[in-house]
Amino acid sequence: EDQVTQSPEALRLQEGESSSLNCSYTVSGLRGLFWYRQDPGKGPEFLFTLYSAGEEKEKERLKATLTKKESFLHITAPKPEDSATYLCAVQSPRGGAQKLVFGQGTRLTINP
Amino acid sequence: DGGITQSPKYLFRKEGQNVTLSCEQNLNHDAMYWYRQDPGQGLRLIYYSQIVNDFQKGDIAEGYSVSREKKESFPLTVTSAQKNPTAFYLCASTGLNTEAFFGQGTRLTVV
Repeated sequence: EDQVTQSPEALRLQEGESSSLNCSYTVSGLRGLFWYRQDPGKGPEFLFTLYSAGEEKEKERLKATLTKKESFLHITAPKPEDSATYLCAVQSPRGGAQKLVFGQGTRLTINP
Repeated sequence: DGGITQSPKYLFRKEGQNVTLSCEQNLNHDAMYWYRQDPGQGLRLIYYSQIVNDFQKGDIAEGYSVSREKKESFPLTVTSAQKNPTAFYLCASTGLNTEAFFGQGTRLTVV
């Protein structure tokens, strides 16, 4: 069974304090690993897709990396507007469907 | 602008009542999905559809039903058989080799 575990569940940082969020996964035949940002009461907003171990992608203060067992979302010098829940999801060809399996998310709070 | 529209934003259901959540997309995506999100939990798949007139159960389909009569539309009915329907419901769609795009969600509350 495909599984995704995110840690920590919640993280509180001071503005400018860099850190990383973890997404560990077990899936047979990874087709893609996705990172989303979700603000309270809103739908998830797409951030990155990673396809193979060693791949990295960056967007402003965020950088996502991928290994064969986990992915990290690095946040450099975060600002209060980076506060949100960050979701990780994996896609596998199990059952022939393009289904996503989500982790429970990491709730990030950046204090000014 | 292309996107996914969910309605209503808030919905209240009485005990024993069926309610239908709307999801419309103009992205020309073939696949559409319904997820349920509870506090502190990730998204759980209810139903998905890869083509018109075809759909499959996800991990938590009991108490829900769907239809896919048009490519653009994938409504979800929460039936009276769903014992704990209070949750945030999210609709998504994907095209060929694209990421999933999400709507803004419907918050359903049992009163």
